[in-house]
Amino acid sequence: NAGVMQNPRHLVRRRGQEARLRCSPMKGHSHVYWYRQLPEEGLKFMVYLQKENIIDESGMPKERFSAEFPKEGPSILRIQQVVRGDSAAYFCASSNGQGNRPQHFGDGTRLSIL
Amino acid sequence: KNQVEQSPQSLIILEGKNCTLQCNYTVSPFSNLRWYKQDTGRGPVSLTIMTFSENTKSNGRYTATLDADTKQSSLHITASQLSDSASYICVVSDMEYGNKLVFGAGTILRVKS
Repeated sequence: NAGVMQNPRHLVRRRGQEARLRCSPMKGHSHVYWYRQLPEEGLKFMVYLQKENIIDESGMPKERFSAEFPKEGPSILRIQQVVRGDSAAYFCASSNGQGNRPQHFGDGTRLSIL
Repeated sequence: KNQVEQSPQSLIILEGKNCTLQCNYTVSPFSNLRWYKQDTGRGPVSLTIMTFSENTKSNGRYTATLDADTKQSSLHITASQLSDSASYICVVSDMEYGNKLVFGAGTILRVKS
């Protein structure tokens, strides 16, 4: 499968635990985007990364959330000390550039906080 | 107020019929407008991408139109199939904010036999 791979597909955490969401972009893509989708709402931009660099994190909460895209390996979205409000579907997309390039989405990680 | 508004919120049509979904946006300036299809439990899949200078773009049975003057776009689906049942999302690229994508809430389409 040459598409964007996200894992796990479903993640259950208790309040206060950490959640780590992984995203492997399409082969040849060096641009990664993370989005959050709440029920009945549109996707909301969180962060945009290129290899080893955070380009735009304006949509990501300042506390508890962090993202990285190392030289080797997948991009990671990390949520520390999760709260009930973090329950959502988190989608990753990748592209081979900016502008009018299409973003290819993974099937998301559904995070549930008990 | 959401910068990308879609209508209707949901729609039910019979298999074989045509339908048109609407998108109004206030994002300005924008560099492109996209339509995505999202099946339940899956990620969005790109249908069309139009720059501000394009008026129409087709992808099989899907035809998107864009009127940059009135800030409106539509997605027309012809000869609908059961597999067209999904959420259709209008997305505008905000040129003022680094071409960040702004998503509508989507129109949920159900095609029944």
